[in-house]
Amino acid sequence: GQQLNQSPQSMFIQEGEDVSMNCTSSSIFNTWLWYKQDPGEGPVLLIALYKAGELTSNGRLTAQFGITRKDSFLNISASIPSDVGIYFCAGRATSGTYKYIFGTGTRLKVLA
Amino acid sequence: KAGVTQTPRYLIKTRGQQVTLSCSPISGHRSVSWYQQTPGQGLQFLFEYFSETQRNKGNFPGRFSGRQFSNSRSEMNVSTLELGDSALYLCASSYTSGSSYEQYFGPGTRLTVT
Repeated sequence: GQQLNQSPQSMFIQEGEDVSMNCTSSSIFNTWLWYKQDPGEGPVLLIALYKAGELTSNGRLTAQFGITRKDSFLNISASIPSDVGIYFCAGRATSGTYKYIFGTGTRLKVLA
Repeated sequence: KAGVTQTPRYLIKTRGQQVTLSCSPISGHRSVSWYQQTPGQGLQFLFEYFSETQRNKGNFPGRFSGRQFSNSRSEMNVSTLELGDSALYLCASSYTSGSSYEQYFGPGTRLTVT
């Protein structure tokens, strides 16, 4: 199946550091979504973005919908141990073959 | 309010059999979507239902089908199971109001095909 390019694949960071990850696509999307998944659980929706250029925050998380509509970024500020998990992006399109595609995931590990 | 529930949580089936998975959305949510998650292919969108109608469909063979009932509960069926169908099947219910969108996933059904 098709997946969006998400980077980095994994990262170790120190508690208190800021984290950045991004997602790129060859297709244009109308909506970008960011999720976090903990082991043994379903993903949790963190942020939804609807317009090119949109910048949205949810607590320490900030995400942006790229101007080209082909990419999105997620930043986590002042990371804490409970930020550990896998972060996924997803792009939704209203036309074309692939309507809803997920990224490959970024595994985040926070060192206390 | 109660979260999204999926039954069963675990299932073991044999190649060639069929399976039906169930998803009960959050009360008031009329949209239910299904996903397959595997280590190799990651998260893949299967289909989405809204008010008993399939609204979107992913790129899966016709062996994968679903339906939604009038109470918004949804079922997913996989016929003629293959080994590659072993996966975590997730459903999510969602609600859109104006510019507000909320979506919640269930814990998933772990399907093993032997």
